[in-house]
Amino acid sequence: DVKVTQSSRYLVKRTGEKVFLECVQDMDHENMFWYRQDPGLGLRLIYFSYDVKMKEKGDIPEGYSVSREKKERFSLILESASTNQTSMYLCASSLSGGIYEQYFGPGTRLTVT
Amino acid sequence: DAKTTQPTSMDCAEGRAANLPCNHSTISGNEYVYWYRQIHSQGPQYIIHGLKNNETNEMASLIITEDRKSSTLILPHATLRDTAVYYCIVRVVNAGGTSYGKLTFGQGTILTVHP
Repeated sequence: DVKVTQSSRYLVKRTGEKVFLECVQDMDHENMFWYRQDPGLGLRLIYFSYDVKMKEKGDIPEGYSVSREKKERFSLILESASTNQTSMYLCASSLSGGIYEQYFGPGTRLTVT
Repeated sequence: DAKTTQPTSMDCAEGRAANLPCNHSTISGNEYVYWYRQIHSQGPQYIIHGLKNNETNEMASLIITEDRKSSTLILPHATLRDTAVYYCIVRVVNAGGTSYGKLTFGQGTILTVHP
């Protein structure tokens, strides 16, 4: 079974803090993704990575950066957290190639106060 | 990617088949139909996908009309654990490019399975 794990289920941070969200997958997948999910807006892609050290912007990259130093790990960084980044953050992974399904982690609910 | 239309909510009795429709009338030839579901407080879960032929796996069946403008996800014997939001997604599958990985989730159908 593919397993995608995220470092925290719930996180509370203050405005201006630097926040790290970690994602690890154990299936040797090339692709990894970060989404955020907000009521009424569905899932929106923040960044994705198709190989180690490679990244591409998604639909809403502003205010975020990512790091992929190892194939199994993909980190999302909020350089200076703001209240409008309060959201559910979901990580996913898949094999290379667009046809393959994405496997999601359980999500991190981040609250920025 | 083509836009999809799904009913907002549906009910189903436990043990019965749940048939979830999806309209994707603007689908183009190189777009696949994917279904995911999201149980409350969990990440989305892949169910099934197809291009034009009907597909079946251990979770569900996918019926795509001949003109490919609509499809139906069938859960043959719904259980209480199938209560979730079901998303129908249509997307282009490219060999390259940067959009191939993105999934665009709409509002989905809230399926409630009753005892």
